[in-house]
Amino acid sequence: NAGVTQTPKFQVLKTGQSMTLQCAQDMNHNSMYWYRQDPGMGLRLIYYSASEGTTDKGEVPNGYNVSRLNKREFSLRLESAAPSQTSVYFCASSEPWTATNEKLFFGSGTQLSVL
Amino acid sequence: AQSVTQPDIHITVSEGASLELRCNYSYGATPYLFWYVQSPGQGLQLLLKYFSGDTLVQGIKGFEAEFKRSQSSFNLRKPSVHWSDAAEYFCAVGARGGYQKVTFGTGTKLQVIP
Repeated sequence: NAGVTQTPKFQVLKTGQSMTLQCAQDMNHNSMYWYRQDPGMGLRLIYYSASEGTTDKGEVPNGYNVSRLNKREFSLRLESAAPSQTSVYFCASSEPWTATNEKLFFGSGTQLSVL
Repeated sequence: AQSVTQPDIHITVSEGASLELRCNYSYGATPYLFWYVQSPGQGLQLLLKYFSGDTLVQGIKGFEAEFKRSQSSFNLRKPSVHWSDAAEYFCAVGARGGYQKVTFGTGTKLQVIP
């Protein structure tokens, strides 16, 4: 059971380059999320998708776009990378909340450096 | 707006000693509260959560946390720390409805010394 799979694990970009971070989950979860993690700032939500076919902005969406390709896959695109986007990116998924289901499953992260 | 504060950036404890990690929150109603742990190079893993009921909640790996409404706190405790507990710990607060309504703290990095 792979859980949440993110690719790539590491990436170095030059300012202005574009790239797409891929994420796939095999738990049949409805909700998927993209976070960035910066030192001293914890996790901040970039975008989320509550269900297949829907996406919404989180706390820090500027400079990013997302696509919920199907129920399994949720990609994050940087159209024109900036040094401020140097961060560790996490994809996560969850089921709709019930009395026992409030748990985020995380991928292992993508470490992105923009030079 | 909701917020969560983890006042300790870094804590060092000896193996076998007790541990308490502090978490204070600001929220207008009864919050949903979480503690997550992140081992080096990994994503976060849920340790425990509080929604309602008993204010002392038990989690995995021998951790517990106590919700104190009067102090707006949700501190994480463990009676005896193991070297494998070295990690970063995140407190989170939010509302029912999904993690888009949850705010994470800035984390406390735990170092365990022999």
